[in-house]
Amino acid sequence: QSLLTQPPSVSAAPGQKVTISCSGISSNTGNNYVSWYQQLPGAAPRLLISENNKRPSGIPDRFSGSKSGTSATLDITGLQTADEANYYCATWDGGPIGGLYVFGPGTRVTVL
Amino acid sequence: QVQLQESGPGLVKPSETLSLTCTVSGGSINPYFWGWIRQPPGKGLEWLGYMYYSGGSNYNPSLRSRLTISLDIPKNQFSLKLSSVTAADTAKYYCARGSGLYYYHYHIDVWGKGTTVTVSS
Repeated sequence: QSLLTQPPSVSAAPGQKVTISCSGISSNTGNNYVSWYQQLPGAAPRLLISENNKRPSGIPDRFSGSKSGTSATLDITGLQTADEANYYCATWDGGPIGGLYVFGPGTRVTVL
Repeated sequence: QVQLQESGPGLVKPSETLSLTCTVSGGSINPYFWGWIRQPPGKGLEWLGYMYYSGGSNYNPSLRSRLTISLDIPKNQFSLKLSSVTAADTAKYYCARGSGLYYYHYHIDVWGKGTTVTVSS
């Protein structure tokens, strides 16, 4: 069972916006940066957002991240069929010694 | 552009040691974290651990007693050894590069394509 909570699925029509939440506690999302990963069917995950809201080069600005308190959010605007995938949030839990990197359970995005 | 490629046996017997190697091409080992993530069939991602280029390491507490990650800098490779495997260790194993100035910045910015390992007699 994951330390982080994500909705199992979200859906919207093409061109619309979806929001994926990621909820944790002070030892993880509350005190550490959150990253987001996209996993297309049959593919390896790829980094979408690091340090709460930073997009690596090559990631469209349709993807944006934010964090407030112990919750983080990934927004996908202008939804495309190519965005159908599983999305995972992740963060460090605990301190530098004995801590671990934890992933959320994943959210399936469906384009209607 | 950095690329990672996993290699190793696809089938391991119960109670034996699972050994995988990741070859890094197109980039340097430093100053990054080099680690492993796995994904059981139909399930989510589980972080296993990493080794920092300068030698420090961090492992998932649930696997610490069975897991070793090591770096071979001259060969631009790093490896994973997981001992006493059971069917629960059947998964797709990804090698990965981590970045971040401090542990709380840590994120995985390069992933291998993954290799499937089945634990079965």
